[in-house]
Amino acid sequence: KQEVTQIPAALSVPEGENLVLNCSFTDSAIYNLQWFRQDPGKGLTSLLLIQSSQREQTSGRLNASLDKSSGRSTLYIAASQPGDSATYLCAVGGGSARQLTFGSGTQLTVLP
Amino acid sequence: GAGVSQSPSNKVTEKGKDVELRCDPISGHTALYWYRQSLGQGLEFLIYFQGNSAPDKSGLPSDRFSAERTGGSVSTLTIQRTQQEDSAVYLCASSSRTGGAGEQYFGPGTRLTVT
Repeated sequence: KQEVTQIPAALSVPEGENLVLNCSFTDSAIYNLQWFRQDPGKGLTSLLLIQSSQREQTSGRLNASLDKSSGRSTLYIAASQPGDSATYLCAVGGGSARQLTFGSGTQLTVLP
Repeated sequence: GAGVSQSPSNKVTEKGKDVELRCDPISGHTALYWYRQSLGQGLEFLIYFQGNSAPDKSGLPSDRFSAERTGGSVSTLTIQRTQQEDSAVYLCASSSRTGGAGEQYFGPGTRLTVT
């Protein structure tokens, strides 16, 4: 059974800092990996999707990497802003339905 | 283009009652998923529909849970004889790639409270 772990559980940084969120998974037989953000009381917003054959994806200030063989992904956020404050979820796609298995998230607070 | 929509946004029901939750996927998306987000269990997969194929029900927690998808579009998740542990946010997602290998887009969710 796939298990996804995210470290740290919570992170507080001053505005302008670059930061890295970590995600690890136990089964390397994945189809893709998706990073989401979730604001309090809201649904999930997709940030980046990495296919299993890819090593990284970039969108604006965000860069996600994937090392399938070691079961790791990182989300790099450059020049953080208070608006980046949210919970970031890593989800691995796999299984018979290609369903997503989620980590428990990293709660990020960017201080002005 | 509209995203995934869900209704109702909030539902409060008494223990033992049945509830129906609705999901409208993004137009043209063939894959549809239901997930549940609860405090104790995090986000977990419930059921998957792909086109007109039989659904993958491997994530449903009990036989009180069922879902259907009509015309390959709108989906309804039904919970019979609700229990307090069913209280959670129920999220629907859709995807455009066959087999769901593509990006999943989520709706805003239905917050279910069982009293």
